[in-house]
Amino acid sequence: GQNIDQPTEMTATEGAIVQINCTYQTSGFNGLFWYQQHAGEAPTFLSYNVLDGLEEKGRFSSFLSRSKGYSYLLLKELQMKDSASYLCAPIDSNYQLIWGAGTKLIIKP
Amino acid sequence: DVKVTQSSRYLVKRTGEKVFLECVQDMDHENMFWYRQDPGLGLRLIYFSYDVKMKEKGDIPEGYSVSREKKERFSLILESASTNQTSMYLCASSPSSSGRAFETQYFGPGTRLLVL
Repeated sequence: GQNIDQPTEMTATEGAIVQINCTYQTSGFNGLFWYQQHAGEAPTFLSYNVLDGLEEKGRFSSFLSRSKGYSYLLLKELQMKDSASYLCAPIDSNYQLIWGAGTKLIIKP
Repeated sequence: DVKVTQSSRYLVKRTGEKVFLECVQDMDHENMFWYRQDPGLGLRLIYFSYDVKMKEKGDIPEGYSVSREKKERFSLILESASTNQTSMYLCASSPSSSGRAFETQYFGPGTRLLVL
């Protein structure tokens, strides 16, 4: 079957760095999305990786290792507004997004 | 600016009622999706559509139907609402014209449905 595994909740301090991991098992692979979702709001696009390696975009970076079925989202210089859930979503061979349950990130002052 | 709107943010219905959830996008996107989101679970795809009058079942279509009469509008219908359909319903759209769903999806604000 298809499976996504990411931590349920993480806590970090304002100004620090946090890494949110995602491991996946899908039938085929056509890339991986990370989305951010603030409480009570819609998910919004953060990043898309299809090749191995690190993609940097401002304070956020996303890494992919296809051979290991592994991705992470790295958030630097954490701000209170980064408190949100982060959803990992690989794309399977049918080009369907398979959504993880999300990691709730709590930022403390 | 990208915009996906949903007809209601909050909805309370009774068991057995027919429920319509409307979604409209103004980006001329081909693909539209309906998901439900429940605590501790990932987004689960109910139905999607890659063209007007076209629809495909997602992972959990039972108890739901959809309608896409116009490109910008995708409706989700609960034929006879049940308490286990209490959930957050999210609509999304993406610009793909190939039927593939891997382009970035843009989400509406969600409708929180409570079925009593």
